[in-house]
Amino acid sequence: AQKITQTQPGMFVQEKEAVTLDCTYDTSDQSYGLFWYKQPSSGEMIFLIYQGSYDEQNATEGRYSLNFQKARKSANLVISASQLGDSAMYFCAMREGPSGGSNYKLTFGKGTLLTVNP
Amino acid sequence: SQTIHQWPATLVQPVGSPLSLECTVEGTSNPNLYWYRQAAGRGLQLLFYSVGIGQISSEVPQNLSASRPQDRQFILSSKKLLLSDSGFYLCAWSGDGDSYNEQFFGPGTRLTVL
Repeated sequence: AQKITQTQPGMFVQEKEAVTLDCTYDTSDQSYGLFWYKQPSSGEMIFLIYQGSYDEQNATEGRYSLNFQKARKSANLVISASQLGDSAMYFCAMREGPSGGSNYKLTFGKGTLLTVNP
Repeated sequence: SQTIHQWPATLVQPVGSPLSLECTVEGTSNPNLYWYRQAAGRGLQLLFYSVGIGQISSEVPQNLSASRPQDRQFILSSKKLLLSDSGFYLCAWSGDGDSYNEQFFGPGTRLTVL
């Protein structure tokens, strides 16, 4: 079974509107971390936001927020007030095990291509 | 501030030729280093990671190898490239003491094997 599932190969949103990118994960660990990265057409991966499994509040970073539903094992990314520069691939990733330990590996989903229309 | 460099940016190589991709990190010490490959339209596949000089862990059996001759240098190599080695190669680093263990990526190398 895939550890990270992103079911939306592509999404479209109008400029200035909000958009939700879906991510579900599969792990038996109690401690884990969830990440979202943005990959513009240039190819570089840009870290956006992080949610720890024990964090009680949803993570927020500027226009990005993470809708964390632990029981459903979902970690959806919400982008508010979309901008043309938000057009890119978005990847959800998971680190299994607690941070700071010997758990270095991230498992990535296949990504969602977001297109922001003017 | 920390920066990560990769070169070359693009590379076109014939099947059977050798490969050497280099990654260096500045502004940090004793980073964890990673090599990923991204096939066209796909997610990232972890190839190798390293927690210290000379310490390499391989995630996927293949004709690639990695080395870490210096603390902030990570090299991806192959003796004989295959067509299936084409892809986008990303190097990343993370700090051992960071609270998230988030990984920071380099600009990548686009490899085409003909």
